[in-house]
Amino acid sequence: AQRVTQPEKLLSVFKGAPVELKCNYSYSGSPELFWYVQYSRQRLQLLLRHISRESIKGFTADLNKGETSFHLKKPFAQEEDSAMYYCALGGSQGNLIFGKGTKLSVKP
Amino acid sequence: EADIYQTPRYLVIGTGKKITLECSQTMGHDKMYWYQQDPGMELHLIHYSYGVNSTEKGDLSSESTVSRIRTEHFPLTLESARPSHTSQYLCASSLPGTHRNEQFFGPGTRLTVL
Repeated sequence: AQRVTQPEKLLSVFKGAPVELKCNYSYSGSPELFWYVQYSRQRLQLLLRHISRESIKGFTADLNKGETSFHLKKPFAQEEDSAMYYCALGGSQGNLIFGKGTKLSVKP
Repeated sequence: EADIYQTPRYLVIGTGKKITLECSQTMGHDKMYWYQQDPGMELHLIHYSYGVNSTEKGDLSSESTVSRIRTEHFPLTLESARPSHTSQYLCASSLPGTHRNEQFFGPGTRLTVL
């Protein structure tokens, strides 16, 4: 079964602290993974795709096939990072399978 | 400007009414999707389309229907709204090819059925 698990519903950190949002997936083939972000009163938007191996807004995510994980990391959190973060898995039909999301709150 | 649009943004309606949620994209994308999202929960795929005259049901069973007569337009219709349909509805589109799973989202329609 294709599934995405984000174990933390809420993650609260102080500004300048490292942050890691966890994502585990279940997929039998070669996975295509994404992180989407939704800032307050804005639409859902793509943050990262694993295939690009890029760093966006200081965030990185590495695909670990052995642990079936795609955790999102940032070494120094900023207040403007506060948002809902969704991990998503590309399904076999071209759709996306989303996790339940993690709300990141960065305190001053 | 290339974008994906949804109207209305908010809709409050009584039980039994017929409603259509509009979704249009000017991005030239072939594939379009409808997701349903309850507050604080994950998105669930309810409908998708590969192109004109193509519509498929998603993972989450829905009483809504969709049509795809034009590439840029993918409306969702509820023939008789019920309180259980209260939710946020997100429309998305994507290109075929290498980044076929990368989707672009509209702003959403928040539906409340009284």
